[in-house]
Amino acid sequence: AQTVTQSQPEMSVQEAETVTLSCTYDTSESDYYLFWYKQPPSRQMILVIRQEAYKQQNATENRFSVNFQKAAKSFSLKISDSQLGDAAMYFCAYRNNAGNMLTFGGGTRLMVKP
Amino acid sequence: NAGVMQNPRHLVRRRGQEARLRCSPMKGHSHVYWYRQLPEEGLKFMVYLQKENIIDESGMPKERFSAEFPKEGPSILRIQQVVRGDSAAYFCASSIWGIGADTQYFGPGTRLTVL
Repeated sequence: AQTVTQSQPEMSVQEAETVTLSCTYDTSESDYYLFWYKQPPSRQMILVIRQEAYKQQNATENRFSVNFQKAAKSFSLKISDSQLGDAAMYFCAYRNNAGNMLTFGGGTRLMVKP
Repeated sequence: NAGVMQNPRHLVRRRGQEARLRCSPMKGHSHVYWYRQLPEEGLKFMVYLQKENIIDESGMPKERFSAEFPKEGPSILRIQQVVRGDSAAYFCASSIWGIGADTQYFGPGTRLTVL
């Protein structure tokens, strides 16, 4: 079974600075998808960024980018120019190509200091 | 295009009562997923449905829980004879294809409190 591990329960960053959230996963599959979701206090799950495992190029979405290391099974999220609105729980998730369910990590709470 | 809709947003039940949670997928999406989030934890998969079919219910508790996605109307997650341990946030997600290059979009969740 696939597992997703987020080793940082909490992270803190100064406004306008850069922060990196870690995620590792375990799988025997070669074709899969990785996601980062944001959950603000409203508890709505918001898709931040997606990475296809067959793509070597790291995905980017504005201030959000990933460092995807397939051999190391690592998928970290970098947030540049952090804003107060980035404060939230961040969840890393995995799905294999033929599957349907998302497997989530335990989450990292990000605090942004003004 | 309206997002995934869930209602109610908050539901309070006493032990032994039934809870019904509803989910309307995004327009054009025919695949629905239910997840449960216990306090301070990540989401856990429960069940995956297409119209009139349960495709994968490997995450569903064997008793008291059931789900459906009828031809017409929303998907329903039903919990019979609720217990305090059922208190959690229940999220519904929907997607277009169900496999491959597919993204699940989540609703706002239903927070169930069992007294």
